[in-house]
Amino acid sequence: GENVEQHPSTLSVQEGDSAVIKCTYSDSASNYFPWYKQELGKRPQLIIDIRSNVGEKKDQRIAVTLNKTAKHFSLHITETQPEDSAVYFCAASTGGSQGNLIFGKGTKLSVKP
Amino acid sequence: DGGITQSPKYLFRKEGQNVTLSCEQNLNHDAMYWYRQDPGQGLRLIYYSQIVNDFQKGDIAEGYSVSREKKESFPLTVTSAQKNPTAFYLCASSRPGQANYGYTFGSGTRLTVV
Repeated sequence: GENVEQHPSTLSVQEGDSAVIKCTYSDSASNYFPWYKQELGKRPQLIIDIRSNVGEKKDQRIAVTLNKTAKHFSLHITETQPEDSAVYFCAASTGGSQGNLIFGKGTKLSVKP
Repeated sequence: DGGITQSPKYLFRKEGQNVTLSCEQNLNHDAMYWYRQDPGQGLRLIYYSQIVNDFQKGDIAEGYSVSREKKESFPLTVTSAQKNPTAFYLCASSRPGQANYGYTFGSGTRLTVV
């Protein structure tokens, strides 16, 4: 089955710097890659996603890139702010009726003012 | 909470007790999921259900049970067989065949053994 590896497990940056979180997946049939942000004690919320027919997607300060050949995808946050501090999870899915999301173990991002 | 409600927010269980966590959604989603979250462990799948009256074990189903008698409801019972139940439990839902449209999560239940 699918396996998703996420790195790093913790990341600390200065406010205004960029942050990059990387994930690799094992199943070449995976075609959907969402990213979730979870603030302390709260539920994960979808912040951006990408499908396998697209190489890059941007939404203001957040971007996701996908390399299907290498089977990895990355989250890029530019001009980080203290409110970006949270745990970020990547996930992958093959879609279809049984295509459950498989999650990475998460990255705790700390943005220092 | 975005159409999916978990209750209670906090739950305390004594040794040997069974407890049931509630998850209700009004999103008309057919698929529902239960995850357990421990510090540093990410999200681990306990059970999932794609349609009413059917459910499948996830990666860590031992010591847990579920039912899916209604489309809107997917309660999770933590049984006394679960030796280390203290954790944060998250329920989620999605449309079947559309896991590639993401999950909606509930706000979670924090279970503590006392």
